[in-house]
Amino acid sequence: GAVVSQHPSRVICKSGTSVKIECRSLDFQATTMFWYRQFPKKSLMLMATSNEGSKATYEQGVEKDKFLINHASLTLSTLTVTSAHPEDSSFYICSARDGQGGETQYFGPGTRLLVL
Amino acid sequence: LAKTTQPISMDSYEGQEVNITCSHNNIATNDYITWYQQFPSQGPRFIIQGYKTKVTNEVASLFIPADRKSSTLSLPRVSLSDTAVYYCLVGAFKAAGNKLTFGGGTRVLVKP
Repeated sequence: GAVVSQHPSRVICKSGTSVKIECRSLDFQATTMFWYRQFPKKSLMLMATSNEGSKATYEQGVEKDKFLINHASLTLSTLTVTSAHPEDSSFYICSARDGQGGETQYFGPGTRLLVL
Repeated sequence: LAKTTQPISMDSYEGQEVNITCSHNNIATNDYITWYQQFPSQGPRFIIQGYKTKVTNEVASLFIPADRKSSTLSLPRVSLSDTAVYYCLVGAFKAAGNKLTFGGGTRVLVKP
């Protein structure tokens, strides 16, 4: 149980294009999902908290117009990197909080974004 | 939010027990302690979670002293495939504004 998927697993795009990453909780409902970013050999950095049916809460320094988050259902959150640039290249990971409101979050496998 | 301190790296050998200690001196009453394992280019994998005393599952044990200011993840008889980064997270979603933050993690290298 507690499986979170992400799609795509890897994406290469040209500078200036937008990229959408999907995060799904497969066997539980997640009212809260989180988006992280990770650079090579660094720890995970929280970007935003996504609550179903409401606007996402962004961490300080994260541009909300750059990283659009939508949490339209209890099992799906999407992150759209708009007008991507090479500096946006990174490993993006989502997680979903235990559907019963518990204290555990389960992570997706991550999405590797490379912007050329 | 409780700040955590872990060793940056640890080396071990196959078949040995690995113990990773995480310090969290300002842990709050409602905070839980959760450990994750991460392999390169993968999302973190939940290992174990505890609140106090000892918790054991099929892959690890978590020891938490009475004052809860530290915790120790114990991996019995490690294998080469246990080479990974291990993260200790301390907090409670409800108390932490519904979010938890990662510290630096411990890079464990298991040698043959």
